[in-house]
Parts: sequence; C-alpha cells; structure tokens
Amino acid sequence: DGGITQSPKYLFRKEGQNVTLSCEQNLNHDAMYWYRQDPGQGLRLIYYSQIVNDFQKGDIAEGYSVSREKKESFPLTVTSAQKNPTAFYLCASSILGQGASPLHFGNGTRLTVT
Amino acid sequence: QKEVEQDPGPLSVPEGAIVSLNCTYSNSAFQYFMWYRQYSRKGPELLMYTYSSGNKEDGRFTAQVDKSSKYISLFIRDSQPSDSATYLCAMRGEYGNKLVFGAGTILRVKS
Repeated sequence: DGGITQSPKYLFRKEGQNVTLSCEQNLNHDAMYWYRQDPGQGLRLIYYSQIVNDFQKGDIAEGYSVSREKKESFPLTVTSAQKNPTAFYLCASSILGQGASPLHFGNGTRLTVT
Repeated sequence: QKEVEQDPGPLSVPEGAIVSLNCTYSNSAFQYFMWYRQYSRKGPELLMYTYSSGNKEDGRFTAQVDKSSKYISLFIRDSQPSDSATYLCAMRGEYGNKLVFGAGTILRVKS
C-alpha cells in the first residue's frame, strides 16, 4: 500500500538537544512538506520541497532544518534554537504542479521536550 | 486577522443529527477548497475538495463554497459516532502548492 510513514510516533528529548524526525513516502510524489500542529492553531508550514536537493522555508522555519537527498525521504531536524519545540509534527506529500492536488499526510510524530 | 477563520468548538450533537461546519476566509484569490478529517493522534485525511463556487456531494457529506461571501461549509447528514473527529478546512490559490488551514473544529457525535 502506498503511503507516508513517520517515525517515531512519540519522541522525548531534553532541552538543548537536536532531534531528527523521519518521513518516508512511496507514493512517487515530487512535493513533500512538514507541518507543525498546536492546539487551536491549525497546521503551520515549516518547510517544503518540490524536488530533490531543493527546499524552501515555510511560515515558521526558524529553529528547524531539512534535507531532501532522495525523492522518498524528507527528514526534519528540530534544533536547540527552536524555542517551543513540543508539538505534533506532520509530514505530507503531493503531486507537483496540480492546483487541486490534495496533500497526503502521515500519522505524525509527537515530540515532547523537557 | 487570520486568513482562514474556523470555530474550534467542540460541537456536540446527537447521533443522526445534521452537522454544519464552517470556515470564513479573507483572501479572494483562493480557488481550491478542501475539508480534512483528523482522528485523535492521526494525520488528516482528505474528505472533500471543490474548485471555485458550488456544491459537491459524496455520500453523507456535502461541501459548499460561496465565494461571494468568502464562506465554505461542510454538511454531514445522519451523523454517526464514527464521525467524531477534528475537521480542518484548507484552501489555496490557483497556482502553487501552499495550503492555508483553518484551526479545526472538534466534532463529537453522541450515541
């Protein structure tokens, strides 16, 4: 079955540590995205990538970094510079270039930093 | 002011009720309108999408877009406890892949 796999489902880290969230898709989609979801705020775009080896900042990129070395993979690193890293992180993908192309989401990683 | 406004709820209804979920928006360039359903501790899944104004029906679900009022709705008929979830509206302009999401409405259907 095609889909998006995010791992781990739950992640706990101490303040000051960098942490990397994994996202893999086998939908053959060109575009991939990272969103952050906080209660009452909806989904906010962190980074997105439309092609391998290229990515753009979203609305809240500060304190995060990404890479896109393979079409299937788009890992997100939450750095120690991110002031409020505790959140639910969602990875998504879509077919590039179609205005009505829906996003397909993974089941998220809940990150807790103490 | 947010680009997309959505009442967070929670909205509690008895089983079998007709549910109306709504979003308002400010950007007249939005052309594609979507509704996502998100169960607890899961990722959102696409429920409905429409282009420009009009209605679209899929089973118990009807999506309605009124661009003149910048207002979209999702109606759920004969609501079931399994419909209990958070419903997110999302929209985008004609070009580009960036979606703007509402904050989501929590729906609880009581049996």
